[in-house]
Amino acid sequence: GDSVTQMEGPVTLSEEAFLTINCTYTATGYPSLFWYVQYPGEGLQLLLKATKADDKGSNKGFEATYRKETTSFHLEKGSVQVSDSAVYFCALPSLKSGYSTLTFGKGTMLLVSP
Amino acid sequence: ETGVTQSPTHLIKTRGQQVTLRCSSQSGHNTVSWYQQALGQGPQFIFQYYREEENGRGNFPPRFSGLQFPNYSSELNVNALELDDSALYLCASSPDSEKLFFGSGTQLSVL
Repeated sequence: GDSVTQMEGPVTLSEEAFLTINCTYTATGYPSLFWYVQYPGEGLQLLLKATKADDKGSNKGFEATYRKETTSFHLEKGSVQVSDSAVYFCALPSLKSGYSTLTFGKGTMLLVSP
Repeated sequence: ETGVTQSPTHLIKTRGQQVTLRCSSQSGHNTVSWYQQALGQGPQFIFQYYREEENGRGNFPPRFSGLQFPNYSSELNVNALELDDSALYLCASSPDSEKLFFGSGTQLSVL
């Protein structure tokens, strides 16, 4: 079945450092790919998405490129802020059941210090 | 603010009891799905409702059941609670588009 593998955290960075969170997936076909973010005490929010191979999703300075050949969707940001501290989840939808049926990775906690 | 409200925020139950969790979505959000998020894990899909009918289910036993109502509210019911049911339960709704709106969740502890 579908699966998502993320790098384990926590990832600890200083403010303005470069961020990479790795995500690889196994799926039937070529699904859309998502990154969700969960701030402390809150629900998940969609951060960015890509709907086909070579697409780049971007939002709030974060970027991720859909790489079909390596089945990857790594999240990057050039300069992190303290306010980016959160848990980040890579996810893909079920091709059969649609976008509300998501398979998530285990999440990667990001801690940014001033 | 996602417009998805869950209640209660925290709940403590004893093994073997039954629990009902509630979710209120935005008007027009015809799809609602429920997820279980164990500590340190990603959310796992439980089931999905579309216009009051279940139309998708994850790998969860029948003691997990749900309802969706015409006023865009929904319920997750869990019977015969087990210790492993302790988790954050997330409700997510969608206006038939590809964007999901998540609530903040109900933290269930089973003792």
